[in-house]
Amino acid sequence: TQLLEQSPQFLSIQEGENLTVYCNSSSVFSSLQWYRQEPGEGPVLLVTVVTGGEVKKLKRLTFQFGDARKDSSLHITAAQPGDTGLYLCAGMDYGGSQGNLIFGKGTKLSVKP
Amino acid sequence: DAGVTQSPTHLIKTRGQQVTLRCSPISGHKSVSWYQQVLGQGPQFIFQYYEKEERGRGNFPDRFSARQFPNYSSELNVNALLLGDSALYLCASSLGLAANYEQYFGPGTRLTVT
Repeated sequence: TQLLEQSPQFLSIQEGENLTVYCNSSSVFSSLQWYRQEPGEGPVLLVTVVTGGEVKKLKRLTFQFGDARKDSSLHITAAQPGDTGLYLCAGMDYGGSQGNLIFGKGTKLSVKP
Repeated sequence: DAGVTQSPTHLIKTRGQQVTLRCSPISGHKSVSWYQQVLGQGPQFIFQYYEKEERGRGNFPDRFSARQFPNYSSELNVNALLLGDSALYLCASSLGLAANYEQYFGPGTRLTVT
């Protein structure tokens, strides 16, 4: 069974600080996706990384896919209160079906003004 | 364009009852997947439907069933509800099979079983 472990589970920081969230697995994934979810709402896709070693930037967010395609990280520069939410990583599982996402448990981020 | 829509938004049911949740995908999307998200956990895959056929099933009991209609909307049915079925049920749509296309999630249906 493929598993994705995210760390830290909770993160509370002040506005303006930098942070990194990690997503690790013992399995290789063909792609990894990062989502942000706010309370009572569905996850919103932020980025998809496909190539080992790939780095993608989305304004103050930087996403990296590990060379071996087993891990990924999300770095936020100068965090703002609007960044508050649950950050989920998800990998595509092709085993036994036509593709479904396996999610980590998420990192709950709180950015205080 | 409208995103994925789900109804109802919230639902309260009693143990043993049955429930039907509904999902309308993004216009032009032909695949719908269902996920269950228990409080404090990431979403867990239940079903994927593409062109009205089941294309994947997660590790859920037979009390869970689903179908997809000719207009690509979908229903998720859960029979004989248990307290542990309380969760946010998410629907995601994609252009084609989820293996090949990104999935976009709806706001979810919050089910509470008492």
